[in-house]
Amino acid sequence: DTVLTQSPALAVSPGERVTISCRASESVSTGMHWYQQKPGQQPKLLIYGASNLESGVPARFSGSGSGTDFTLTIDPVEADDTATYFCQQSWNDPTFGGGTKLELK
Amino acid sequence: QVQLKETGPGLVQPTQTLSITCTVSGFSLTSYYMQWVRQTPGKGLEWMGFIRSGGSTEYNSEFKSRLSISRDTSKNQVFLKMNSLKTEDTGVYYCAREGYYDGYYYVMDAWGQGASVTVSS
Repeated sequence: DTVLTQSPALAVSPGERVTISCRASESVSTGMHWYQQKPGQQPKLLIYGASNLESGVPARFSGSGSGTDFTLTIDPVEADDTATYFCQQSWNDPTFGGGTKLELK
Repeated sequence: QVQLKETGPGLVQPTQTLSITCTVSGFSLTSYYMQWVRQTPGKGLEWMGFIRSGGSTEYNSEFKSRLSISRDTSKNQVFLKMNSLKTEDTGVYYCAREGYYDGYYYVMDAWGQGASVTVSS
């Protein structure tokens, strides 16, 4: 299985820029997608294909990377962005990262 | 609009079989793959398997021996059945639609709210 590793938690102030990283144990090309999950809710697609913004998602969210290293950037961060963010690869059988919990100071 | 909703038993006894139904609206099951993903305290989000638009299935090898995914297109429903449940199977079970983006990416672009399952005697 392709293992995806994310930092467990981050804390930032509203208005700042935050980058959330995801590292794959093997190359997944650009087959990486990002989801936002708020407590008690289902995951919501933000970014697909490493860098493509899903329809309806604010342009404050962006993604980059290819191969094994990927980032999700939120700039500027707003209070409503408090959530856990997951990466997921679809290059091989789907796997998910452990999630990065974003908290606002 | 696109909607997915899971319904399940809530509580299942160890060794018993879990059955969850995903009812969809706003799109056709014959046009999309449908995924099952679970979220457990021990392992986080795990892909379980999917059923293709044509009706064939693929399973995560971790669940293959005890998992079955099927559907009834006339009722717009997808079914998950998993036997020999253990306490570690406690979690939230999601169905998700898999969209085909840019002629290249398969992406889980719509999710149900999830069915919470507790495995306990």
